[in-house]
Amino acid sequence: GQQVMQIPQYQHVQEGEDFTTYCNSSTTLSNIQWYKQRPGGHPVFLIQLVKSGEVKKQKRLTFQFGEAKKNSSLHITATQTTDVGTYFCAGPGNYGQNFVFGPGTRLSVLP
Amino acid sequence: NAGVTQTPKFQVLKTGQSMTLQCAQDMNHNSMYWYRQDPGMGLRLIYYSASEGTTDKGEVPNGYNVSRLNKREFSLRLESAAPSQTSVYFCASSVDRGNTEAFFGQGTRLTVV
Repeated sequence: GQQVMQIPQYQHVQEGEDFTTYCNSSTTLSNIQWYKQRPGGHPVFLIQLVKSGEVKKQKRLTFQFGEAKKNSSLHITATQTTDVGTYFCAGPGNYGQNFVFGPGTRLSVLP
Repeated sequence: NAGVTQTPKFQVLKTGQSMTLQCAQDMNHNSMYWYRQDPGMGLRLIYYSASEGTTDKGEVPNGYNVSRLNKREFSLRLESAAPSQTSVYFCASSVDRGNTEAFFGQGTRLTVV
């Protein structure tokens, strides 16, 4: 079945440093989504990418969808303590009926 | 706007006990999902319901049953709880299929002793 992998599993950064997490799928994706989960919270949708090579920005967050639509990245510029949490990528599962989530990257930001 | 509501928020069960986790959404979404989240494992799909009246197994369905009671409600039942089912359970919904934004409930923290 489809697998979605993410690296790194953990990332500790000093406040103000940049952060990047990478997502790779074993199959081509029709779209990819990114979610953020704060400690003790639930996943919250950030963005969806659909087009090959698409790049979208949300303030300090930059999302990219690979040309082959099998990988994606999330880059945070100048991290803040409010960025702490786990970032998940997700793609459509088999038959597009569900979501397959990557294992997530847990980001810690030291003040 | 309630969104996706899960009950209970916390539960402790003894091995062998049964319980039902309730989930309701008020966004008129067609698709609903149950995930479990374990440390380092991300979110794993237990069951999903693409639309009212249909349910399908996900990645880890063993030990669980579901009911899509109506368009709003999707329940998850543990018939005979086992310690391996200790986890955080999330219900989610989306407008349709797996290519639209998923909205998650607050989660149920279940401990089986």
